[in-house]
Amino acid sequence: DADVTQTPRNRITKTGKRIMLECSQTKGHDRMYWYRQDPGLGLQLIYYSFDVKDINKGEISDGYSVSRQAQAKFSLSLESAIPNQTALYFCATSDSSLAGGADTQYFGPGTRLTVL
Amino acid sequence: DQQVKQNSPSLSVQEGRISILNCDYTNSMFDYFLWYKKYPAEGPTFLISISSIKDKNEDGRFTVFLNKSAKHLSLHIVPSQPGDSAVYFCAASESGAGSYQLTFGKGTKLSVIP
Repeated sequence: DADVTQTPRNRITKTGKRIMLECSQTKGHDRMYWYRQDPGLGLQLIYYSFDVKDINKGEISDGYSVSRQAQAKFSLSLESAIPNQTALYFCATSDSSLAGGADTQYFGPGTRLTVL
Repeated sequence: DQQVKQNSPSLSVQEGRISILNCDYTNSMFDYFLWYKKYPAEGPTFLISISSIKDKNEDGRFTVFLNKSAKHLSLHIVPSQPGDSAVYFCAASESGAGSYQLTFGKGTKLSVIP
């Protein structure tokens, strides 16, 4: 079984709709991250969470919100989706208890989101 | 302002030969560097990392070299295998900043020809 899972894997929605992407992990890591990837570009950080009560904005947080429901679950919401949010979305985790481990992030399989 | 640059969008190498993927960075505060491999329809997979206190790290067929003065790192794959065909991302972190945010390059698509 995958250590980091994302649901749904694919989603097509319309402009203005609210969308939630979910991420679950069984790695026991304390830190979780949401990234987006646009074609031909690297991954950009949207939000990150160091524990359930610690949520931080990344470089491109506008238009997104997150919720850390438990150590193992981190969801990303688009309150009112727009077409330029069409992208691949990746969840990642890391373990701050490991030497250098906080920097090594492990990724889920991704969600392909299309906003029409 | 792109802080991590992978200037070669693609690279083709014959099976059995060495693949060399390059990465440059501009932020002198970066002190931890990683390489990820990504297959289509999958998430990035951690491959190898290096701390700025080292200039080389090796793991099987994969070796990462870091030249701090040139702000340059490279990933060597020897020997290259068809299964290595994927997009490779270089990433950097400024661990002292406390966020452990990874800054990614745009990736290099490696094709290993049988």
